[in-house]
Parts: sequence; C-alpha cells; structure tokens
Amino acid sequence: EVQLVESGGGLVQPGGSLRLSCAASGFTFSSYWMHWVRQAPGKGLLWVSRINSDGSSTSYADSVKGRFTISRDNAKNTLYLQMNSLRAEDTAVYYCARGYGAPGGFDYWGQGTLVTVSS
Amino acid sequence: DIVMTQSPLSLSVTPGQPASISCKSSQSLLHSDGKTYLYWYLQKPGQSPQLLIYEVSSRFSGVPDRFSGSGSGTDFTLKISRVEAEDVGVYYCMQGIHLPRTFGQGTKVEIK
Repeated sequence: EVQLVESGGGLVQPGGSLRLSCAASGFTFSSYWMHWVRQAPGKGLLWVSRINSDGSSTSYADSVKGRFTISRDNAKNTLYLQMNSLRAEDTAVYYCARGYGAPGGFDYWGQGTLVTVSS
Repeated sequence: DIVMTQSPLSLSVTPGQPASISCKSSQSLLHSDGKTYLYWYLQKPGQSPQLLIYEVSSRFSGVPDRFSGSGSGTDFTLKISRVEAEDVGVYYCMQGIHLPRTFGQGTKVEIK
C-alpha cells in the first residue's frame, strides 16, 4: 500500500524557517517524481514544487522561488521541503504527492501538515 | 501559466440524480505523445485530495464506475451518473502537461 506521511509543520514567526518531511512507503520511491502542493485555509490547491526521481532536477512556483528548496533522500525514502523567509501568505496545509508520470498528475497524496506563519 | 476554469463552483444534487462539472483550460492539454494530461480530484471534507480520473477519461484504481470523464483539447467534463452521499466534497480539475501544475478553483458538491 502506498503511504505518504508528512511531518514538520507548526507555528513559525514571519521570516523564520521550517523543514517539512514526507516519508514514503509501499512503492519504489526512487522511481517517481515527487511534488509539494499547498492549500491555504478555506482555499484551493496550489502547486509548490517538484523534484525528479534522482533529485537532479527541481522546479518551483514563482511565489516560493528563492525561498523554498525541495530535496529528497532516496536511501531514506524521504522527501523534504526547506522553507526559509516564511511569510503570512505561506500559511497552509502542505501535501506531498507522488507524480504520475512526467508529464503527468499526482496519484497518491499524504494527509498534509499544517504550517502557520504568524507573530 | 495554464489557467483552469471550472463551472459551476457549487452544485446541490439530489441523491440518485446525475451531476456534471465543466473544466476549461487556457491552452490545449494534448501532448505530442498523444495523451491529454487532464486530471480530476475529489477532496472530501477533512481529507486530502484523491485521484478520480487521469488522462481525461481513465478511472483510477478503486473509483466507482458512476464517475466518468470526457473531453479533448481545452474542454473537459466530469460526470457522476448517480450521486451518492459519499460523493460530497470539492472536485478539482488539474492540468499535468506543463509546470507549474495548475488547478481549477474547485466545485463544491453537496447533497440536497
């Protein structure tokens, strides 16, 4: 069974940093692109970032470029999102999702982890 | 960026009746490989999104056959043949052909 479990969310002050993790199991993690998608409270879905299967290629939404860094450790079956210079508008539930091909969508999502940026 | 536009944004349906959601993209989602990268997701209350339909019309594993997708190019439709109580939530279309991946605004489906 494919499982994606996010962790690392919490309350952080504006300008602060946080690192999210996504632990994957039930599939060959190193074979798949992975993505982060976020959802602000009461809002829709917004794609944040993606990384290819070996970690050699990454992409970001304009709103997080230069502040967020996606990475992965295929030996640990874990995806990461390092978030720096956080702003109030980054407040959201952050989901990791498995890529379903490239190009392609997402087939499995984690349960999400809430990041709140507030003083 | 590709803009995805859904309609309607909300839908109230009597159980057993059909429902239909439209999704239009600002660019064609037809790839040179012949596939069209349009996806449908359902986010049930308090849950993460789940994949319903991939590449316009293919049902994902475990998705009931009352859900069907159709369309081509820039115009797509998700149909529920007979809505059940468990189908409530917000439905999103998403394009998977270009980065950034982009979603429609979501269509909230409730039961009358």
